[in-house]
Amino acid sequence: GEDVEQSLFLSVREGDSSVINCTYTDSSSTYLYWYKQEPGAGLQLLTYIFSNMDMKQDQRLTVLLNKKDKHLSLRIADTQTGDSAIYFCAETKDKIIFGKGTRLHILP
Amino acid sequence: DVKVTQSSRYLVKRTGEKVFLECVQDMDHENMFWYRQDPGLGLRLIYFSYDVKMKEKGDIPEGYSVSREKKERFSLILESASTNQTSMYLCASSSSPGRTEQYFGPGTRLTVT
Repeated sequence: GEDVEQSLFLSVREGDSSVINCTYTDSSSTYLYWYKQEPGAGLQLLTYIFSNMDMKQDQRLTVLLNKKDKHLSLRIADTQTGDSAIYFCAETKDKIIFGKGTRLHILP
Repeated sequence: DVKVTQSSRYLVKRTGEKVFLECVQDMDHENMFWYRQDPGLGLRLIYFSYDVKMKEKGDIPEGYSVSREKKERFSLILESASTNQTSMYLCASSSSPGRTEQYFGPGTRLTVT
């Protein structure tokens, strides 16, 4: 199938780390993306990883890729209230396929 | 700075009306896309276009049509709006069909009453 799977909700306390997980379907996907959608807005590209990489770090964001298990994760360190959003993972080969999104809720 | 704009943020229309949603990008991208976003269903591709005057059906084209007369502009048309077309509509563009990231507009929240 073509489904990119994500859990729909995640709650995290402010200051803790958030880990959002995704499984994708096509082991030959060349690019894997994380998008962020804030309330009432469109999707914004957050980060991406090439399929020949295992890890990518960008400030508070760490992306981990396990190609064997077709598993992608996004870790947000020191989660803040401004991180409250829906996070979409996406895989691409000939076309882009989005997951349904994980809504991250920040607890005070 | 990359920019995709959509003509309206919020729109309310009546059942049976013809509705035009406009999208403009300033990045000289060949590829443009229309999605609808509904809770629990994620993004679903309605139509996309790889070039001027070219269009391809996505996963849920029924009840919609599109127009791409100029490279920078991609319009979504609801010929006869129905209540089940109440949704958030997102436009996106990219420099190639699937291999590079897509840039999204802010969305149009359409309510059909």
